[in-house]
Amino acid sequence: DQQVKQNSPSLSVQEGRISILNCDYTNSMFDYFLWYKKYPAEGPTFLISISSIKDKNEDGRFTVFLNKSAKHLSLHIVPSQPGDSAVYFCAASDGTSYGKLTFGQGTILTVHP
Amino acid sequence: GAGVSQSPSNKVTEKGKDVELRCDPISGHTALYWYRQSLGQGLEFLIYFQGNSAPDKSGLPSDRFSAERTGGSVSTLTIQRTQQEDSAVYLCASSVYRGGQPQHFGDGTRLSIL
Repeated sequence: DQQVKQNSPSLSVQEGRISILNCDYTNSMFDYFLWYKKYPAEGPTFLISISSIKDKNEDGRFTVFLNKSAKHLSLHIVPSQPGDSAVYFCAASDGTSYGKLTFGQGTILTVHP
Repeated sequence: GAGVSQSPSNKVTEKGKDVELRCDPISGHTALYWYRQSLGQGLEFLIYFQGNSAPDKSGLPSDRFSAERTGGSVSTLTIQRTQQEDSAVYLCASSVYRGGQPQHFGDGTRLSIL
């Protein structure tokens, strides 16, 4: 039972263009969502998060959008840079589970110069 | 160091052996989590510590897995009688307080069972 799904295993984008990574969830109890970035042989690094009371959060080149009715969130990276090439994980938590995170399978982003 | 530290970074062992994985969280972080990532999969929750107690062990896959935390700091994940399906990257994360986000991750221990 995959409660958080990232349906695109990979995404390829040209440098300077927008990267859009998508994530769907099924558990309506989730109230906090995060995006992590992971390079090979390193641990995930926190990028940006959003609470369920908001529909948008922006931090520099990164913006996360949340559509609660559709149980869908997306991460926009503008402009994309080659250094953004990594695996991106969507994660969710609910207020009843001590903050444990449920992760999607990840999307491999490749940004071409 | 300032981040979450895990050791060893790599561990290769024979099936049936016991292994211990160590996590040193960020100083002052009271919440500690263990996850694992199997090949091609997302991260899977294993266990959560608040201080030295583990109120949520629901992700431990079998009774061969156990974990402890001492002094509200270092945690050890032990896998007894390892099986090939235990091969994965084991990741530790900590956060300032229970339920606090974001969690900060270590670089993990890559465990390979021969």
